[in-house]
Amino acid sequence: EADIYQTPRYLVIGTGKKITLECSQTMGHDKMYWYQQDPGMELHLIHYSYGVNSTEKGDLSSESTVSRIRTEHFPLTLESARPSHTSQYLCASSELGGGPTDTQYFGPGTRLTVL
Amino acid sequence: QKEVEQDPGPLSVPEGAIVSLNCTYSNSAFQYFMWYRQYSRKGPELLMYTYSSGNKEDGRFTAQVDKSSKYISLFIRDSQPSDSATYLCAMSAGTGGSYIPTFGRGTSLIVHP
Repeated sequence: EADIYQTPRYLVIGTGKKITLECSQTMGHDKMYWYQQDPGMELHLIHYSYGVNSTEKGDLSSESTVSRIRTEHFPLTLESARPSHTSQYLCASSELGGGPTDTQYFGPGTRLTVL
Repeated sequence: QKEVEQDPGPLSVPEGAIVSLNCTYSNSAFQYFMWYRQYSRKGPELLMYTYSSGNKEDGRFTAQVDKSSKYISLFIRDSQPSDSATYLCAMSAGTGGSYIPTFGRGTSLIVHP
């Protein structure tokens, strides 16, 4: 089983709140990713990182920001949550130069509801 | 048009049936093809991957790629209730050192006893 953790698992907050979704991995992977997943829909890449101090926007930045100060930690922050941010957020990691398959190991996800 | 198309289902089959899950895609640059399995309230986990065209077998699972038709399949033999999950196809071009995959929306599979 992959050693990648996400907290909280479930979060219900009001509109306008600032929130940070935590993601940590103990595999020493350089690459980390954040995806948004709605029921029955594709995974949409929000942000990714190739290593410390590296962050890139994906197809769906969703008005969020990320930071990568430590290899094992890749938090996602929403400065002002809106109901449209209600979704499941998945964090993943993979080895740098792990090969073309770039096997991604996913965390269990954070289910966010913004009222 | 989405780059990767996948029927969301649900697909309901009896235990022991052969299951066929499929994806079509439009980007001819895709070379690497993956299948992930996602159980309820869990993150996806890699099941199988293939490169270019051809078949790959792993136990009860067979992945098949037909690049000429831009069509990939996952077959599950002797399906079990524990196979009930959402199966996501994913694919990448593998160019420029970036292998970030594009995912399908997943097919929900229900195997009933």
